[in-house]
Amino acid sequence: DVKVTQSSRYLVKRTGEKVFLECVQDMDHENMFWYRQDPGLGLRLIYFSYDVKMKEKGDIPEGYSVSREKKERFSLILESASTNQTSMYLCASSGNSATNEKLFFGSGTQLSVL
Amino acid sequence: LAKTTQPISMDSYEGQEVNITCSHNNIATNDYITWYQQFPSQGPRFIIQGYKTKVTNEVASLFIPADRKSSTLSLPRVSLSDTAVYYCLVGDISNTGRRALTFGSGTRLQVQP
Repeated sequence: DVKVTQSSRYLVKRTGEKVFLECVQDMDHENMFWYRQDPGLGLRLIYFSYDVKMKEKGDIPEGYSVSREKKERFSLILESASTNQTSMYLCASSGNSATNEKLFFGSGTQLSVL
Repeated sequence: LAKTTQPISMDSYEGQEVNITCSHNNIATNDYITWYQQFPSQGPRFIIQGYKTKVTNEVASLFIPADRKSSTLSLPRVSLSDTAVYYCLVGDISNTGRRALTFGSGTRLQVQP
């Protein structure tokens, strides 16, 4: 089975801190995604990557950046954390098919910014 | 960029069949339709995927009409453990032409005893 691992299940940070959320997948997937989920808003796409060192903005990229130095790892970076970035963050990966993506999700990181 | 529309919530009772419909009027020719289930404090997990007509697996059935502008997830004889949020997903295209995968708000299904 595909495994997508997020480094932290819970994280508490202070306003202004630089925060790194790490995600690793073990199925040699080309595509990786970062979503955030807030009550009543469903999952919103922050950034995605379709290849090493390649990235694209999703619906809500402001305040975030990403890094994909290796195929299996996709990092989400909050340059200067703010309280409105308190949320559940979900990482996902998918294979190489251009149209038949099946997303595999990690368990999520609940980030609290105080 | 959300391309799908679903009911916000549905209620059912144990043993009933539940049908959740998703509208995706702008679906692209090559897009598949995929449904996910999410329990609290977990990431979504894949339920079923289809391109046209009907697909069935051990968990659910997926009905897709000929025009593919909507799809219906059918859960036979639901139990309390089917209480979850259900999302349908079709492909999306970013401003640079790359495929993104964006979710709608999902349908919260509550199953009562």
